[in-house]
Amino acid sequence: DGGITQSPKYLFRKEGQNVTLSCEQNLNHDAMYWYRQDPGQGLRLIYYSQIVNDFQKGDIAEGYSVSREKKESFPLTVTSAQKNPTAFYLCASSPGTVLRTDTQYFGPGTRLTVL
Amino acid sequence: GQNIDQPTEMTATEGAIVQINCTYQTSGFNGLFWYQQHAGEAPTFLSYNVLDGLEEKGRFSSFLSRSKGYSYLLLKELQMKDSASYLCAVSLYNNAGNMLTFGGGTRLMVKP
Repeated sequence: DGGITQSPKYLFRKEGQNVTLSCEQNLNHDAMYWYRQDPGQGLRLIYYSQIVNDFQKGDIAEGYSVSREKKESFPLTVTSAQKNPTAFYLCASSPGTVLRTDTQYFGPGTRLTVL
Repeated sequence: GQNIDQPTEMTATEGAIVQINCTYQTSGFNGLFWYQQHAGEAPTFLSYNVLDGLEEKGRFSSFLSRSKGYSYLLLKELQMKDSASYLCAVSLYNNAGNMLTFGGGTRLMVKP
């Protein structure tokens, strides 16, 4: 089955610890994205990557880091510098054609709770 | 800056029709998406409009007016399973490609 997977679904961490959220896709999509969603709110873009070994900051990148060493993988690290890390984190991918608008497809999300 | 507005909550009755509005003010526009999101789950794609007019897909239709910065999602013959949040997202093009900016979402509750 082709799709986007995120693991784990629920994650608990102590304050001050870094944590890495996994995102894998086997859709052969070039572009991948990380969003954060807080209760009752829309999605806000953290980081995105259009090709391997390249990524750009989104609207709320502070306190987060990413890597894109492989086309199918785009892990997100939530660092201790992120002031309010408790949120629902969604990964998405799209074919990534620059010249047209592509639909983004989302993974099932990871709910991170920092205690 | 980018500004996308949609109502926070709506309630409708099973079998009825409901219209969810979205207005936007953005610098640069490359199309508008509607996504459905059930609580605690991933958003799923519903529709995409780039030209003015109505796009129909079964029970769901989406309308766009670029001159008015306005879109709506129309849901017909409502079912209980349609209870979800509906996200309006505007596509903006920059030299890095296709970026989506999301509204806050409209939570729809369908009652028997």
